[in-house]
Amino acid sequence: GAVVSQHPSRVICKSGTSVKIECRSLDFQATTMFWYRQFPKQSLMLMATSNEGSKATYEQGVEKDKFLINHASLTLSTLTVTSAHPEDSSFYICSAHQAGGYNEQFFGPGTRLTVL
Amino acid sequence: GENVEQHPSTLSVQEGDSAVIKCTYSDSASNYFPWYKQELGKRPQLIIDIRSNVGEKKDQRIAVTLNKTAKHFSLHITETQPEDSAVYFCAAQYYNQGGKLIFGQGTELSVKP
Repeated sequence: GAVVSQHPSRVICKSGTSVKIECRSLDFQATTMFWYRQFPKQSLMLMATSNEGSKATYEQGVEKDKFLINHASLTLSTLTVTSAHPEDSSFYICSAHQAGGYNEQFFGPGTRLTVL
Repeated sequence: GENVEQHPSTLSVQEGDSAVIKCTYSDSASNYFPWYKQELGKRPQLIIDIRSNVGEKKDQRIAVTLNKTAKHFSLHITETQPEDSAVYFCAAQYYNQGGKLIFGQGTELSVKP
């Protein structure tokens, strides 16, 4: 149980285009999902907290108009990187907190974004 | 502010030796402290966690200790094996901020046969 999927696993796009990444909780309801970004040889940096049916809460320094987050249901959150540039190339990972659960977060497998 | 410091950044041990990784956190409101193992290109894998009402927890070769007063928590791996080689991250959870996790900088552990 407690499986989180992400799609796509890898994406290569041209500079200036937008890319959408999906995060799904497959066998549980997630009231809260989190989006992280990880550059090579660095830690996971929290970008935003996504709550079902409400606006996401962004961490300091993360541009909300560039990284659009939509948490439309209890099993799906999407992150759209708008007007992507090479510096946005990174490993994006989501995690989900189970509704009614206590502490543990369940991580998706990540999405490798490369912007040319 | 919210901050988690992790040391060392790299750690090399001989197979069979013990490895210790230490973290400190800044916010006394943190109540949950997980440890993750991450292999290259993969998702973080939870290996052990501890809640703020417990001082120590052990699971076979892995143990975690928590000192709430000092805001320190540590990961102990005994009888290390080459397959323990990976990057390890500590994290602190802020339950009153939606349960978000703040990660330490990571420790690259290398276990030499």
